[in-house]
This record gives sequence, C-alpha cells and structure tokens, in this order.
Amino acid sequence: SQKIEQNSEALNIQEGKTATLTCNYTNYSPAYLQWYRQDPGRGPVFLLLIRENEKEKRKERLKVTFDTTLKQSLFHITASQPADSATYLCALIRGTGGSYIPTFGRGTSLIVHP
Amino acid sequence: DGGITQSPKYLFRKEGQNVTLSCEQNLNHDAMYWYRQDPGQGLRLIYYSQIVNDFQKGDIAEGYSVSREKKESFPLTVTSAQKNPTAFYLCATNSGAKNIQYFGAGTRLSVL
Repeated sequence: SQKIEQNSEALNIQEGKTATLTCNYTNYSPAYLQWYRQDPGRGPVFLLLIRENEKEKRKERLKVTFDTTLKQSLFHITASQPADSATYLCALIRGTGGSYIPTFGRGTSLIVHP
Repeated sequence: DGGITQSPKYLFRKEGQNVTLSCEQNLNHDAMYWYRQDPGQGLRLIYYSQIVNDFQKGDIAEGYSVSREKKESFPLTVTSAQKNPTAFYLCATNSGAKNIQYFGAGTRLSVL
C-alpha cells in the first residue's frame, strides 16, 4: 500500500524566512500530489497541486516541487508570516479503475515566530 | 467549510450505542468521502461514494456504515462494533476536476 512520510516534528522558523516542508512516498507513482493546510479543529483546505510530469508549481508565496525519481515533494512558503502557522498535509492521488482516491500524510506543523 | 455542512460539531456516544454523523453538501459534487483523524495521525479513509446509491469501503470501514440515498447527503453511522470511536471525523467532496477535496468543519466524537 501507499506510504507517505511527512516530518512529524514541528518546524519552527522566524517570520520572513522561507519554510520548507517535505513529503516522501513509497510504492506507487501518483498521478499527482496535493498540499492542504489544516488549522486546529478545522477541516483541511486545498492549496496547490502538481502533476507527475511537472517539476514545479507556484502560487503567490507558495511553491511546490515534485521529484518522481526521489519520490519526494517539497513545499515552500517564502516570506513566512505568523498567520502561516498551521499543519500542512500532503496527499497523493492515484487513479485505480476509474476512481481517484487520495492518501494523506499525517502532516507537519509549522510555527512561524514573530 | 463553505458548501459542506457537518453536524453536530461535538457528539458523545454511550457504550453500546450507535450514533450518526450528518454530512450535507450543496456543491453538486458526485463524490463524497468520510475520513477519521486521530491526534498526530493522517486522515484515514472510512468510506467513499462516487455516485448516488453506491459506496465503497475505505481502509478502516469496520464498525462504520454509510448510505447515499441523495446526492447531497452522505451520513456516517458509528456502530457499537467500533470499539475506539473517539476521533475527529471529516466529510469531504471531490470536485472531479483535479480531484481536489473540499472538507467540512468536522465532528468531534467522544465516548462517555
């Protein structure tokens, strides 16, 4: 079965720095990979997706890279702000028999200090 | 949030009791999902439904049941067979295009 690894330790950074979160996976190659943000007691919110044939995607201060050889995605937040503090989940989407079922990692907590 | 409403926000279950969590959507999405989230854990798929009157088991379906009689509704019943039901339950829909998941605000279930 698909296994996804995200750093279980919280990432603490200073405001204004770039935060980099890692998502590693094993076994199947996903059709694409998504990143979500989850605040305490709330449902996750979609941020970005990247397809298997794409190397990099950007959206405002967010950047995602996808290396299918290393089986790894990196999620960057530039010029980080305290409001970026949250848990970030990666999800792999794999198609099987016409269905696309996501598999989520456990998430990495980001804490941005003012 | 947005077009997905989960209720109640908090729910308490007594020993041997079945409880039902509600999930309603007005996004007109075909696919709906139920996930369970435990502290420090990722989202684990319980059941999903791609179309009305059809649903499939996810990775941890034992002790749960669902129905999909209407496109807008996908209720989850936590049965007495589920021995460790305390968790945060999330309902989601799938946009189809790019398979983006839209989540409700969640229901926190505890055992009395």
